Amino acid sequence: DTEVTQTPKHLVMGMTNKKSLKCEQHMGHRAMYWYKQKAKKPPELMFVYSYEKLSINESVPSRFSPECPNSSLLNLHLHALQPEDSALYLCASSRQTSGREEETQYFGPGTRLLVL
Amino acid sequence: AQKITQTQPGMFVQEKEAVTLDCTYDTSDQSYGLFWYKQPSSGEMIFLIYQGSYDEQNATEGRYSLNFQKARKSANLVISASQLGDSAMYFCAMTYTGTASKLTFGTGTRLQVTL
Repeated sequence: DTEVTQTPKHLVMGMTNKKSLKCEQHMGHRAMYWYKQKAKKPPELMFVYSYEKLSINESVPSRFSPECPNSSLLNLHLHALQPEDSALYLCASSRQTSGREEETQYFGPGTRLLVL
Repeated sequence: AQKITQTQPGMFVQEKEAVTLDCTYDTSDQSYGLFWYKQPSSGEMIFLIYQGSYDEQNATEGRYSLNFQKARKSANLVISASQLGDSAMYFCAMTYTGTASKLTFGTGTRLQVTL
């Protein structure tokens, strides 16, 4: 089973709202990722968690706040977003960030976010 | 810096025909991994196939095969017997030693399978 789930599927929020995206996997993976994908573009890495610790932050604005409560869950807290933050947000997981190149990342279905 | 190039923005193929999607990469690392993902209009990125830089055999997964030419730095995806459900965006991606967690993606190729 290579399933990664994400909720909600769609989210519309105003610039003053606070919302959260949720990602869950039960594959025993110890690395989890957030990507942002704009229309007609490839995904861009935002954050990486390894063993529940933040290991990579790709200079993401502080209005995006990741959280990894346990090895199966990954949240992305959103606050004071801008319309240009509207995108597809993809979560992924892999066994671990061991430095081995064959660590396949498995993606969830994504959350389509619209900021008004 | 690592770079993935996909030069075909869009491709058409008839049902039951084979199609090759091109991917070239640029890296100075000796150890790296190459991946292909499929992204239907629904948005999910579906892992298709993996090729390691030290693998001597081309990877195959069902109807998908990866034509790996290391000297030319190319990793083309071959889909045999195309099906209507293969219509999607296809991304080539790579990771490299020390940063296996970072996937570098190409710009993608949109494949349309026709009757």
